[in-house]
Amino acid sequence: QQQVKQSPQSLIVQKGGISIINCAYENTAFDYFPWYQQFPGKGPALLIAIRPDVSEKKEGRFTISFNKSAKQFSLHIMDSQPGDSATYFCAAPAGPGSNYKLTFGKGTLLTVNP
Amino acid sequence: NAGVMQNPRHLVRRRGQEARLRCSPMKGHSHVYWYRQLPEEGLKFMVYLQKENIIDESGMPKERFSAEFPKEGPSILRIQQVVRGDSAAYFCASSATRTDTQYFGPGTRLTVL
Repeated sequence: QQQVKQSPQSLIVQKGGISIINCAYENTAFDYFPWYQQFPGKGPALLIAIRPDVSEKKEGRFTISFNKSAKQFSLHIMDSQPGDSATYFCAAPAGPGSNYKLTFGKGTLLTVNP
Repeated sequence: NAGVMQNPRHLVRRRGQEARLRCSPMKGHSHVYWYRQLPEEGLKFMVYLQKENIIDESGMPKERFSAEFPKEGPSILRIQQVVRGDSAAYFCASSATRTDTQYFGPGTRLTVL
């Protein structure tokens, strides 16, 4: 079974700063790592995702970095804004043949101060 | 293009009652997934369904919980004889294929008194 460990549990950043959230996984036989953003009272929304054939993917202010040898992937939010304040979840498929079954980290509560 | 819809958004039940949660997938999506989120926890996979079929229910408790996705109408997650420990947010997601991105609904927050 897949295990995903996410850190930190909470993060406070000043406006304009860089927010970094890390995830570590155990099993390697899968091909999709999404990050979800969740605002209070809402469902998770896909933010950005990466496949392990690339080491980095950037979309606007959001970048995923992937380190296959270390079994880690991270989310970087550049020029963080108060509107980015939310809970962020990393996820990975549960294992071989179970790409549809996402295992989520416990989440990181990001607060961006104005 | 409407997203994943769930209703009700909030549901209050007393212990021993039944809870029915409904999910309408995005247009064109035939794959539905149910997840449960406990306070300050990540989402936990419960069940994966396609039209009229349960594909994987490995995350669903063996008793009191059931799910269906009929040929017509929404997917239903049913919890019989609810207990306080069932209080959680239940999210439904849908995708176009089993390996495509899953899009989540707004969730149903179940409170058991």
